[in-house]
Amino acid sequence: AQTVTQSQPEMSVQEAETVTLSCTYDTSESDYYLFWYKQPPSRQMILVIRQEAYKQQNATENRFSVNFQKAAKSFSLKISDSQLGDAAMYFCAYRYNQGGKLIFGQGTELSVKP
Amino acid sequence: DTGVSQDPRHKITKRGQNVTFRCDPISEHNRLYWYRQTLGQGPEFLTYFQNEAQLEKSRLLSDRFSAERPKGSFSTLEIQRTEQGDSAMYLCASSLGQALTDTQYFGPGTRLTVL
Repeated sequence: AQTVTQSQPEMSVQEAETVTLSCTYDTSESDYYLFWYKQPPSRQMILVIRQEAYKQQNATENRFSVNFQKAAKSFSLKISDSQLGDAAMYFCAYRYNQGGKLIFGQGTELSVKP
Repeated sequence: DTGVSQDPRHKITKRGQNVTFRCDPISEHNRLYWYRQTLGQGPEFLTYFQNEAQLEKSRLLSDRFSAERPKGSFSTLEIQRTEQGDSAMYLCASSLGQALTDTQYFGPGTRLTVL
């Protein structure tokens, strides 16, 4: 069975600094997709960034980038120039086929200090 | 741009009562998903639909849970004979289901409290 593990329940970063959130996963599949979702307090979940497993190039979306290590089954999220609005719960998620269910990690709560 | 909507946003019920939640997906999204999220945890998959067909159900979805998506538009999730362990946030998501990187868009959730 596929599993997703986020080993950091809480992280803190100073405004304008960089922070990296960790995620590891377990799967026997070779073709899959990985996602980072952000869930602000009392607000709905939104997609931050996604990565296709067949692509070697790491995905980047503005201040957000990933470090995808397929052999190590690692998928970390780097947030550069952290802003107060980045404070939220971040979930790493895995999907093993097109349009299928997402399997989420336990989440990392990120706080941003002014 | 109308996102995924869910109704009600909050529901308080007594143990043993039945409850029904509604989800309206983004128009033209043919896939609709239900997840359950307990405090401090990541969402757990319950079931999903492709149009009106229910394609997958989790083992978490006991006989007391039933989901429908008549006509492939909105969906309802019913919980019969609620138990205190059913207290959670119930999330709905929808997607086009056509692109390789099919993105699921989430609604605000329905928070259920069973007393």
